[in-house]
Formats: sequence, C-alpha cells, structure tokens
Amino acid sequence: AQTVTQSQPEMSVQEAETVTLSCTYDTSESNYYLFWYKQPPSRQMILVIRQEAYKQQNATENRFSVNFQKAAKSFSLKISDSQLGDTAMYFCFMNYGGSQGNLIFGKGTKLSVKP
Amino acid sequence: NAGVTQTPKFRILKIGQSMTLQCTQDMNHNYMYWYRQDPGMGLKLIYYSVGAGITDKGEVPNGYNVSRSTTEDFPLRLELAAPSQTSVYFCASSYVQLGEAFFGQGTRLTVV
Repeated sequence: AQTVTQSQPEMSVQEAETVTLSCTYDTSESNYYLFWYKQPPSRQMILVIRQEAYKQQNATENRFSVNFQKAAKSFSLKISDSQLGDTAMYFCFMNYGGSQGNLIFGKGTKLSVKP
Repeated sequence: NAGVTQTPKFRILKIGQSMTLQCTQDMNHNYMYWYRQDPGMGLKLIYYSVGAGITDKGEVPNGYNVSRSTTEDFPLRLELAAPSQTSVYFCASSYVQLGEAFFGQGTRLTVV
C-alpha cells in the first residue's frame, strides 16, 4: 500500500529561525514524485516544492529545501529564515502514478511562525 | 489563466437536500480529482477521472456521484445530504499522471 505519514500535527518557530517538517512515505513504485504544499488560512493549496524520485539532488526553492532520503523513504522540508507568512498547514504528498487515484496525502502539519 | 475554478465557495444544506459542486479547469488537464478535507484527517479522495467519459471511485465515494462529459468540467453531485458530508471539498487537476496537482479554492459545505 502507498502511504504518506506526517508525524508532527503542530509545530511552531520564531520568526527568522529555521524549522524542519518531517514526512515519511512508503511505495513499491520505482518512479514517483514527492511534493510539499502549503495551505494558508485562505484554504488555497499552494505548491512549495517538488522532488522527482529519480533525482538524487535535493530540491531547493528560495528559503525552502528538502532532505530526500530515498532509501529511508524520508522527505523532510526545511524552511529557513521563517516569515510570518509561512504560517499555514503543510501537506506532504506523493504522486506514484498508480491506477487507483494516484495522489496520496499526509495528514498535514500546522506550522505557526511567532513574531 | 484561471486554473481550477470551484463554485460555490460556501454552502449550507439541509439534511436530505441535493447539490452539485462545480469544477472547471482551463489547462487541458486529463486528470481530475475530488477530495474532501476533514479536520485533522488530511485529504481523502472521493472520485477521480483520467479523461472525458472515464471516472472511478476513490477512498470515500459513498453519497457522491460524478460525471466527466468534457475535459474541462468535473462536477460532484451530493444526493440526500447527510451531516457526515460536512467538510471542505477540493477539486484538483494534473496534466500527466506523475505531475503536480493544481487545486481549486475549495468549497466549505455544512449540512444541518
């Protein structure tokens, strides 16, 4: 079975500090994509960063980077220089290209950035 | 470029009423999805479609129906609304099977 697990329901960080959100997954597929999405109070789901499983290099987008450990099936998100606007729910999800609805979501981590 | 458009944004239904949540995308995406988001439960797949005329059930399809007559539109029908269907509903689409998903803004539905 394909699963995505986010073990931290809530986290908080001081403005300008760094925080890491954890995500582990399980799949028997050899090719898949991993994503982090952000959901602010507006409810809009916003893509933060993506990682293709076949790429060894960790993805980076400005202040956001991932630590992708394929053997350990781990995909954590690091947010550097946290800003108040980073306050949101963060969802890790996997697209494994399966035939039974191929997007698998974690339950989310609620991140609060404190001034 | 509108992306994925969902209507309405909010709706209150009485038990037993029916309604249709509309979803339209203008990106020519083949894959479309309906999810519900319950507090603390993440997103659960209701139905999905891999192209016009093709739909399939997801994890929680009971009480819902869908159709996909065109590439652009993927409406979700709720028949005989129940309090258990109170949730936030998201429509999403993707161009390829392994691609990024684009989401609508969600519909907050309350059944009373």
